[in-house]
Amino acid sequence: DTEVTQTPKHLVMGMTNKKSLKCEQHMGHRAMYWYKQKAKKPPELMFVYSYEKLSINESVPSRFSPECPNSSLLNLHLHALQPEDSALYLCASSLKAGTSYEQYFGPGTRLTVT
Amino acid sequence: AQKVTQAQTEISVVEKEDVTLDCVYETRDTTYYLFWYKQPPSGELVFLIRRNSFDEQNEISGRYSWNFQKSTSSFNFTITASQVVDSAVYFCALSLDNNAGNMLTFGGGTRLMVKP
Repeated sequence: DTEVTQTPKHLVMGMTNKKSLKCEQHMGHRAMYWYKQKAKKPPELMFVYSYEKLSINESVPSRFSPECPNSSLLNLHLHALQPEDSALYLCASSLKAGTSYEQYFGPGTRLTVT
Repeated sequence: AQKVTQAQTEISVVEKEDVTLDCVYETRDTTYYLFWYKQPPSGELVFLIRRNSFDEQNEISGRYSWNFQKSTSSFNFTITASQVVDSAVYFCALSLDNNAGNMLTFGGGTRLMVKP
C-alpha cells in the first residue's frame, strides 16, 4: 500500500493563528518530506527528515516549524503566516533519503492565509 | 547546477490520440535519476517511473512508454490512445547521486488536457 495521508485537506487561517498540518505513512519509509506548491508551479522542497532527524531545511522561514515525532508521522506547525504562504502543502515519503528512491506523495493540504 | 526543462506548458488532444511529453535535463554528474510524476486535479503527485543514468533501456507500461536518450539529455513520455482520465499535469524530475537527501529538481510541468 503506497499511501501517504494528510490532514486537513483544506485549512483557512488568519495571520495570528497557530495551526498544524499532519502527515502519516505506514509503508516503513524512513525519509519524509514537506513541499510547498503554488498554483501552476512545480513543488518546492521545504524540509527533509531522515530517520526522524531533520537533514535538510531549504532556508524556510521560522514561521514554519517541522516536527517528526516518530517514523510514521510528520507535522508542520504554522504560526504568524503571511498571505503569500497560501499554497498546497504536500507531504512525501521514501524508503530512505537516498536519491535512488522514489517519493510517494500525499494529497496535500490546501492552505489559505487571510 | 542541474535543470529540467519541459518546454510544453499545455497540450490539448482528443481522446484516443497519442501524445508525447518532452523532458530535457541538464547535469554534469554521471550518476543521476530521472522521474515522471502525474498530478491530477485532486492534487496528489502520483509516481510513474524512475530511471537511472546507466539504464537507457526504454520502458513500456500499458499505454505509457518512456524514451530515455543520454545523447540528447532527454527523457520523453508517450501516452498511447489517450483517455480523459489522463488529463493532469505531468512533471519530469531529476535527482543526483549524493548524500544530500533525495532532492528532486522538477521541470515546470506540462498540463495535458484530453477531450472526449
